[in-house]
Amino acid sequence: AQKVTQAQTEISVVEKEDVTLDCVYETRDTTYYLFWYKQPPSGELVFLIRRNSFDEQNEISGRYSWNFQKSTSSFNFTITASQVVDSAVYFCALTYNYGQNFVFGPGTRLSVLP
Amino acid sequence: EAGVTQSPTHLIKTRGQQVTLRCSPISGHTSVYWYQQALGLGLQFLLWYDEGEERNRGNFPPRFSGRQFPNYSSELNVNALELEDSALYLCASSSFTGEGTYNEQFFGPGTRLTVL
Repeated sequence: AQKVTQAQTEISVVEKEDVTLDCVYETRDTTYYLFWYKQPPSGELVFLIRRNSFDEQNEISGRYSWNFQKSTSSFNFTITASQVVDSAVYFCALTYNYGQNFVFGPGTRLSVLP
Repeated sequence: EAGVTQSPTHLIKTRGQQVTLRCSPISGHTSVYWYQQALGLGLQFLLWYDEGEERNRGNFPPRFSGRQFPNYSSELNVNALELEDSALYLCASSSFTGEGTYNEQFFGPGTRLTVL
């Protein structure tokens, strides 16, 4: 079965702490894409990153970084020096079958306390 | 550039009624996706339209249906509403350019449906 697991339901950290959100996926396809989205309290999902199955390079964007490891089927997301504005639900998602199927993980609710 | 827009923002219906939700994609995007997000739950894929055709459908009963218009806007219709249909309905759009495309989806603000 094709699925995305985000084992951490809720995480609370204090501002300026680093935090890693885990994402583990399952797919039989060799070509697939992985995504991270942020859903702030307003409800609108914000696209953060897209990564294809052939590119295992880690990526850094400001305080955000992503670690993709095919060997463990993981695509983890780290926020460095977290801020209160990072408080949101974060979703990991998988697209497969030539882009025709998509599945979202259950999400991780991150609370950053001042 | 305008993002994905959805209307209405909120909706209250009673069991057995029918509802229509609307979505306008980002200009230039031909694909529209619908998701249901029940309170505290993740996103469940409902429907995907591209170039006016239904391309894929999630595991939902037939009373969930929709269509895409020539201008790529879309409607989601839900008949015979049930209490468990209460949720945030999210629409997303992307520039799908054929099989093998894995473009990111851009989401609208959602329509919150409450069924009493």
